[in-house]
Amino acid sequence: GAVVSQHPSWVICKSGTSVKIECRSLDFQATTMFWYRQFPKQSLMLMATSNEGSKATYEQGVEKDKFLINHASLTLSTLTVTSAHPEDSSFYICSATSGTGGNSPLHFGNGTRLTVT
Amino acid sequence: GQNIDQPTEMTATEGAIVQINCTYQTSGFNGLFWYQQHAGEAPTFLSYNVLDGLEEKGRFSSFLSRSKGYSYLLLKELQMKDSASYLCAVRDSNYQLIWGAGTKLIIKP
Repeated sequence: GAVVSQHPSWVICKSGTSVKIECRSLDFQATTMFWYRQFPKQSLMLMATSNEGSKATYEQGVEKDKFLINHASLTLSTLTVTSAHPEDSSFYICSATSGTGGNSPLHFGNGTRLTVT
Repeated sequence: GQNIDQPTEMTATEGAIVQINCTYQTSGFNGLFWYQQHAGEAPTFLSYNVLDGLEEKGRFSSFLSRSKGYSYLLLKELQMKDSASYLCAVRDSNYQLIWGAGTKLIIKP
């Protein structure tokens, strides 16, 4: 159980275009979803936290107008990288949890490798 | 500030035992998680500790001492497929997850 599906797995886009990444919880209702970014050989960097039906909370230094997050339902959150540039190339990973309790682990999607040319 | 420390890299031999340590300093504590991450893949959940002591799950065990701000992940009967990064994460008083930088474990035949 607790499967999180992330799509696409990889995407190559041209500089200036926008890319949308979807994150779905397949067998549970995700009250909270998290979007992470990971550069090679580095740990996860939290970008934003989104709760269903409300605006996402962005971490310091993350541009909310550039990384648009929508969490319209309990099973779907999307991250749109707008006007992508080569420096946005990274591994983006979503995760979801069904509760806020201390013992609620995060379940991760398989990640999306974005390459901006 | 909040901080989680774990070794950058460790090497062990197939069939042996390895212990990966994690020390933390956070504002509050609501549990500690260990995740495994293979190169190019997303992390997968391994274990959760909130009370002091040892939690065993097959070949993997995780220990916690809240008074010392310390945890370790113990891997027994190492297999080549255990080569991966192991991430320690602590949930603070605001239920925010604070991540360590990860320990890259290299298994040699």
